[in-house]
Formats: sequence, C-alpha cells, structure tokens
Amino acid sequence: QAVVTQEPSLTVSPGGTVTLTCGSSTGAVTSGHYPYWFQQKPGQAPRTLIHDISNKHSWTPARFSGSLLGGKAALTLSGAQPEDEAEYYCLLFQSGVVVFGGGTKLTVL
Amino acid sequence: EVQLLESGGDLVQPGESLRLSCAASGFTFSSYGMSWVRQAPGKGLEWVSAISGSGGSTYYADSVKGRFTISRDSSKNTLYLQMNSLRADDTAVYYCAKGLGPSAIIPDNWGLGTLVTVSS
Repeated sequence: QAVVTQEPSLTVSPGGTVTLTCGSSTGAVTSGHYPYWFQQKPGQAPRTLIHDISNKHSWTPARFSGSLLGGKAALTLSGAQPEDEAEYYCLLFQSGVVVFGGGTKLTVL
Repeated sequence: EVQLLESGGDLVQPGESLRLSCAASGFTFSSYGMSWVRQAPGKGLEWVSAISGSGGSTYYADSVKGRFTISRDSSKNTLYLQMNSLRADDTAVYYCAKGLGPSAIIPDNWGLGTLVTVSS
C-alpha cells in the first residue's frame, strides 16, 4: 500500500503564511488522487477543509487554500490565527484505496 | 444540516464482536457513499471501510478485511459496522462519515465518533 507523507510538525507566526504538503510514495500527486485536507483539534472530530485539490466547504475559512505544488498536494494558510493551531491530515485516493497521511501538527507561535 | 451520530462503542475482550451504528439525518441517505474511519489513542486517522449509496459496493482496509462488515439500511437511515474477532489494535475512536456523492468513499462530513476498547 502506498504511503502518504506529511511534515510531522510546522510552526507559523500569527498573521504569517505556511504551506503544508502531502506526497505519495508512488510518485507525483495528481487530480486523480482527489486530495483532501482535514483539520482536527484536540478532543474533536476531524473537519474537512479542502476536497479535490482546492475546493472549499462553506465552513472553510478563506485563509485556507489548496493546490498541487511540485508533485505534491499543498495546503496554504495565509494570515494564521491562534485558532488554526491543530493537527492537519491529508488524504489521497490511491489504487482504489483511501490513504491518510500521518498528520502535521501546526503550531501558531 | 448533515448530522451523523455514532453509537455502539464499548469495552470488549479480544476475540469478541461488536456492531457500531451511525444514524444519519439532514440528507438523502441512499444518495451518498458512507465510510468508517478510526483513530487509535494518540495516533493518526485510518480509513477502515466504505459503502456506496446503493449498498452494492463495499470496500475494506487490509487490516480489517475478513473481520469487519459494513452495511446500510436506507429505511432507517443508518450505517453499520459489524466487527468480529476484535483485537487490541482495533482499539480506537470510530468515526462515521458521509461522502460527496453516491459512489464517494472518501469521508467528507464527519460524526463525533464512538470509542471501542478491546482489552482483557
């Protein structure tokens, strides 16, 4: 089974910009992987932020955006807020199987 | 508003069985694929299983294949996960999730989860 890789941890300053990435052990991430991004805060269920590379839900703050960047899926947070401190998971659909990345712990400091 | 409410989590011994339920509301249940995702204590998310809107197609992670069975009852707007031969490493919070379409097996709207603990 393919492995989905994420940065274990990242730190961003309040008001700053940070990009989280999501890679596949099988090669470049494409639209066919239907990349998703989820946010999970301690003690809470995950919440979908981005689906299919760059599509937002009604509840997704405008400061979050998704893209493909350098063969990976990317989640960019522009203008970080203290409430954005959380674990972020990506998901790829690979060979008929849904695979989550290991998660990125984002600290806003 | 989409609502997903899981139930059935419990403390069970290794080798025992358990059935989880997920009551859905706020959408046309039979029109959407549904899935189960679990999260072991302090660990990341793991996709477990999914089922198409019609119920005609089911999918399983290798880690649960042959032990878990996903099903749905559109008359009750309920998703199920029958878990047999439970092991300690099945201990996790189990989330029910709705997909974006009838064949969508990727979790999109999430429930709050139910805790399954497998321990002697």
